[in-house]
Amino acid sequence: AQSVSQHNHHVILSEAASLELGCNYSYGGTVNLFWYVQYPGQHLQLLLKYFSGDPLVKGIKGFEAEFIKSKFSFNLRKPSVQWSDTAEYFCAVTPSSAGGGNKLTFGTGTQLKVEL
Amino acid sequence: NAGVTQTPKFQVLKTGQSMTLQCAQDMNHEYMSWYRQDPGMGLRLIHYSVGAGITDQGEVPNGYNVSRSTTEDFPLRLLSAAPSQTSVYFCASRSPVYEQYFGPGTRLTVT
Repeated sequence: AQSVSQHNHHVILSEAASLELGCNYSYGGTVNLFWYVQYPGQHLQLLLKYFSGDPLVKGIKGFEAEFIKSKFSFNLRKPSVQWSDTAEYFCAVTPSSAGGGNKLTFGTGTQLKVEL
Repeated sequence: NAGVTQTPKFQVLKTGQSMTLQCAQDMNHEYMSWYRQDPGMGLRLIHYSVGAGITDQGEVPNGYNVSRSTTEDFPLRLLSAAPSQTSVYFCASRSPVYEQYFGPGTRLTVT
């Protein structure tokens, strides 16, 4: 079974600082990777996804993530954060095999606080 | 197009009571799922369904039942509520290109 690790549980940044949130997964085959965001009091929204092809994927609101297969990593980045980026961020993985996509596994989340 | 809707938004139960959390989607997605979200544990899959009449267990199925009689609806039943089931519950449906759409959640407290 697959698993996901997010090592940064809480991150505090000042506005305009750069962001990188770590995500590592464990699975022996090919995977689909996702980053979701949950703003305070809201439900989860998809930020970006990787299925195949260019390992650098761009998502909404200026976020991007890079898939590094050799490191089993899918780190989320943003060059300059805003106060409105304060939220909880979840990395998720699912096997890309037929039927494997039925079980989406989430990391424990990273709480990001951006200070003015 | 309402997406994924869930009712109720908040619920308080006493230990041993039963209840059903409702979930509906209007996107004609075959795949639907239920997650619970607990602090420091992320989201954990309870049950999922790949179409009407087909359900399967996720990571934490004990204490919960599901059924899928229509494509639109996927209710989650708590048979005998326990304090350990205090959580926020999210229903989701998934598009054919593997994008999950989440509902607004149900915050459940079991006393």
